[in-house]
Amino acid sequence: KAGVTQTPRYLIKTRGQQVTLSCSPISGHRSVSWYQQTPGQGLQFLFEYFSETQRNKGNFPGRFSGRQFSNSRSEMNVSTLELGDSALYLCASSLVPGMPDTQYFGPGTRLTVL
Amino acid sequence: AQSVTQPDIHITVSEGASLELRCNYSYGATPYLFWYVQSPGQGLQLLLKYFSGDTLVQGIKGFEAEFKRSQSSFNLRKPSVHWSDAAEYFCAVGLTSGTYKYIFGTGTRLKVLA
Repeated sequence: KAGVTQTPRYLIKTRGQQVTLSCSPISGHRSVSWYQQTPGQGLQFLFEYFSETQRNKGNFPGRFSGRQFSNSRSEMNVSTLELGDSALYLCASSLVPGMPDTQYFGPGTRLTVL
Repeated sequence: AQSVTQPDIHITVSEGASLELRCNYSYGATPYLFWYVQSPGQGLQLLLKYFSGDTLVQGIKGFEAEFKRSQSSFNLRKPSVHWSDAAEYFCAVGLTSGTYKYIFGTGTRLKVLA
């Protein structure tokens, strides 16, 4: 069974631009979560999607948004990029949300904002 | 407030030596506990998890962890470290207060000396 895939693996953008990252969960997994990882802040939860609905949201500004499609694939979008948005963005999938379960992570998308 | 603490930011051990990485959590009930490993530029790989039952859990790559309720700890151990174990290790807890969510520790970076 294929793991979680994320595209693209690397992105370079400039301030003010917007970016869309994609995540395909493990087959059969219906919950997708997104995290931002930076050296200073560690892993911070962005949001979680299940059945095309956002179930949980972390403490990030509205510039960060996401969505989930009927096939469970998810995208996250960051608008009006800032230098501080440079980070590794990790996607994780699990079978269903709302119950104890293991999250499986993708390799991440490294975003650099210049 | 719920939190996960990994008190050691960096640890250096010699190849062949034993290893113990510490993890403490703050939560009113027994959480679901996880250890992940992250190699440079990669996503997180699950090493082991504890949901219930035997408090000594075996994982992949020769790692084990012991849950100690009295100390609110879930320390990761390996009897003999290999150079390939050099990576960053994250402890995480799954909490079921309200909606289920993950909280990650800040990570411990392991360096292995040849």
